[in-house]
Order: sequence, then structure tokens, then C-alpha cells
Amino acid sequence: EAQVTQNPRYLITVTGKKLTVTCSQNMNHEYMSWYRQDPGLGLRQIYYSMNVEVTDKGDVPEGYKVSRKEKRNFPLILESPSPNQTSLYFCASSLSGQGARGTDTQYFGPGTRLTVL
Amino acid sequence: AQSVTQLGSHVSVSEGALVLLRCNYSSSVPPYLFWYVQYPNQGLQLLLKYTSAATLVKGINGFEAEFKKSETSFHLTKPSAHMSDAAEYFCAVSGANTGFQKLVFGTGTRLLVSP
Repeated sequence: EAQVTQNPRYLITVTGKKLTVTCSQNMNHEYMSWYRQDPGLGLRQIYYSMNVEVTDKGDVPEGYKVSRKEKRNFPLILESPSPNQTSLYFCASSLSGQGARGTDTQYFGPGTRLTVL
Repeated sequence: AQSVTQLGSHVSVSEGALVLLRCNYSSSVPPYLFWYVQYPNQGLQLLLKYTSAATLVKGINGFEAEFKKSETSFHLTKPSAHMSDAAEYFCAVSGANTGFQKLVFGTGTRLLVSP
């Protein structure tokens, strides 16, 4: 089954304790992206990756890091989490990032709800 | 730069009634436009997309949207609401030259369907 998986699904942590949220896709997609969803703000892009070793900032990258060492994985790293990073995080992937033509679509993971105390 | 405005954070309809969710966009380049649906405790699922072909786009679950350049709108409609349509709906825009790279989402509209 084609899917994007995220782990953990729920996480409560404390300020300053480094954490990683994993994202994996099994569709051989080139493009992957991270979003955060906050009430009244919709989804905002944090980082995206066009392919292995190619990453770029989205609209709200501050406080986050990513890496793309393998095509299937795109972990999100919070080196020193703060309470304003409490949010619902989604990973997404698509065949290509540059075009959304034809049958290409973006698949979303189930989300990771992060609380930073 | 691109942006979208979704009018109404909540829309309530009765089962069987017309569903109309409004989206207006702003884009400095030819836009690609998307509607996504989010069911409770799930990720987003693509309903339909406009990528400069036909202006009337049909999607899954009986939804459709019409791209109107003169009105900078991409409203989502469904002739007859079902209880299962209750969810949050997001409109999104990107530039035709950037596709999914720079996808900008609206703030969402929660659709409530009453029996």
C-alpha cells in the first residue's frame, strides 16, 4: 500500500530537549515536504526536498532542521524545541516537486501532534 | 507571491443541500490551484486540482471547482451534501512554475452537515 508514515504520532516533551520526527514514504517519490498546522493559520511549509541531498527552506524554517540522505526518508529535527513549536506536523511526498501536472499528487502522512512544555 | 483567502471558517449545511466553499487567490504568475480535505485525525487528501487545462475541474466524492480568472476565484461545490462530507477543507495555490514546491494553504473551512 502506498503510504507516508510518521513517527511518533504523539509526543510531549520539554523545552530544549532535542527530538526527531521521522517520515518515510514507499512510493519512490523524489519530492518530500514538512508542514505545520496551527488553528486559524492553515498549513505552513517548514522545509522541502526536491531529491536526495537537496533541501530548501519553506515559509517557517526557524528552529527546525532536515536531512535527506535516502530517497524514502525525510526526518524533521528540532534541536532545541520551544513552546511555540507546539503544533500538528505533517510530512508529504509527491513524484515531482516542480510540476503538479497530470496524475501527480501529493500524499500526506497521518500527522504528529507535538507538545512542548 | 501567492496567497489564498477562504471565506468562512465554518459552513453549515443540511444533508442533501448544496455545498459551496469559497476560495479566492492572489498570484503574480499563472496559478495552480488545489482543494484538499482533512477528516478528523487524518492527513490531507487531494480532492481536485487546476493546472491550466479545463477551467471546470471534477474531483473525487462528487466535488467540483471552477477556475474563474476574472474573479480570481476557485470555489468548491457539491450538489448534494452527505453526512460523510463533514470535514475541514483547504484551498491551496502555487505557481505553475513551482508546482508542489511552494504550496500556500488557506486557513481552512470546516464543513458541518446536519441530518
